[in-house]
Amino acid sequence: DTAVSQTPKYLVTQMGNDKSIKCEQNLGHDTMYWYKQDSKKFLKIMFSYNNKELIINETVPNRFSPKSPDKAHLNLHINSLELGDSAVYFCASSQRQEFGKLFFGSGTQLSVL
Amino acid sequence: QKEVEQNSGPLSVPEGAIASLNCTYSDRGSQSFFWYRQYSGKSPELIMSIYSNGDKEDGRFTAQLNKASQYVSLLIRDSQPSDSATYLCAVNESGGSYIPTFGRGTSLIVHP
Repeated sequence: DTAVSQTPKYLVTQMGNDKSIKCEQNLGHDTMYWYKQDSKKFLKIMFSYNNKELIINETVPNRFSPKSPDKAHLNLHINSLELGDSAVYFCASSQRQEFGKLFFGSGTQLSVL
Repeated sequence: QKEVEQNSGPLSVPEGAIASLNCTYSDRGSQSFFWYRQYSGKSPELIMSIYSNGDKEDGRFTAQLNKASQYVSLLIRDSQPSDSATYLCAVNESGGSYIPTFGRGTSLIVHP
């Protein structure tokens, strides 16, 4: 009964591969996010989805694409992985009226070799 | 560019002392301010939110906000070794998106 769950926890892959990270929340929240945390612990927004509509898309490469089949799920697809994509990716959710109060998943450590 | 600045530390304090963590932000129109705690290898966890000038207390934690100085701080009283973590300041931008922008975090070490 984890509130925000994401899989896999670890992902090791070769450059050029395509991979996906899945995220699900059971909190009934209407907004979900993907954040990237680099080696210096800087947490940067990548995407946010509200009621299945993208409401913000930071300047991330178009190799990254969010997919939301419903408001409880926000998956992240990454094409043609590069070395610089290595980081921890966090999924999070919140209620629209309470932007800023995020509940995070446990993170996915992505290592591109 | 809207920025949230924190001293990366580490800030080292003895057990039982008050730890003071500071954060400044560039967007004068920011409305909401948050402190998250992140233990090593774990995900960030919300510990405090503050919306108006002044102090807000929750147990051993006190958040302080000064919008005129664009400054928000977190005080941890009676610091415990279990408080050792990275503390992330987050600020909701003004202008519509309301997506929180995070600072780089301050590493706190509480030594026995």
